[in-house]
Amino acid sequence: DGGITQSPKYLFRKEGQNVTLSCEQNLNHDAMYWYRQDPGQGLRLIYYSQIVNDFQKGDIAEGYSVSREKKESFPLTVTSAQKNPTAFYLCASSFQGANYGYTFGSGTRLTVV
Amino acid sequence: KQEVTQIPAALSVPEGENLVLNCSFTDSAIYNLQWFRQDPGKGLTSLLLIQSSQREQTSGRLNASLDKSSGRSTLYIAASQPGDSATYLCAVTLFKAAGNKLTFGGGTRVLVKP
Repeated sequence: DGGITQSPKYLFRKEGQNVTLSCEQNLNHDAMYWYRQDPGQGLRLIYYSQIVNDFQKGDIAEGYSVSREKKESFPLTVTSAQKNPTAFYLCASSFQGANYGYTFGSGTRLTVV
Repeated sequence: KQEVTQIPAALSVPEGENLVLNCSFTDSAIYNLQWFRQDPGKGLTSLLLIQSSQREQTSGRLNASLDKSSGRSTLYIAASQPGDSATYLCAVTLFKAAGNKLTFGGGTRVLVKP
């Protein structure tokens, strides 16, 4: 079955540490997205990529980095520069063009310890 | 800047009652509007996608309408069941948004009581 796989489901980060969240899709979607979800704040866009080797900053990109070396993969690194990284992170993908909706992964919950 | 609002933030109904969830947006130049369901601690599940040229979409007990001129969409869930308890989110894609970015509402948390 086609879908989006996010791993790990839970992740714990120590102060000053970089961590990488994985997102893989086998839907042949062109575009991939990373959102952050905090209680009471809804979903906010971190980064997105429409094609391989290209990505754009979203609304809250500071302290995050991404890469898009393969169409299927869009990993997100939460760097030590992100001062408040505890949140629920969601990856999504879609075909290009507004006639298509998004498909979301099951999320990664990141906690700073 | 596009703003998407969902009112009420929470809703509780007895089983069997019809659910009516509201979504409003400030910029009517949208490509599409999508309704999602989110269970606690889980990802988002797409329910319905309405393109800007459509007035409504239906899937089983779900029906979503779109009125671009007034900036509103309504999700109807007929004969609610306890399994419908979840948070429902609407999101829009603007014509001028690069990368088909979605703008989300804050969600409506629904509880269906047996």
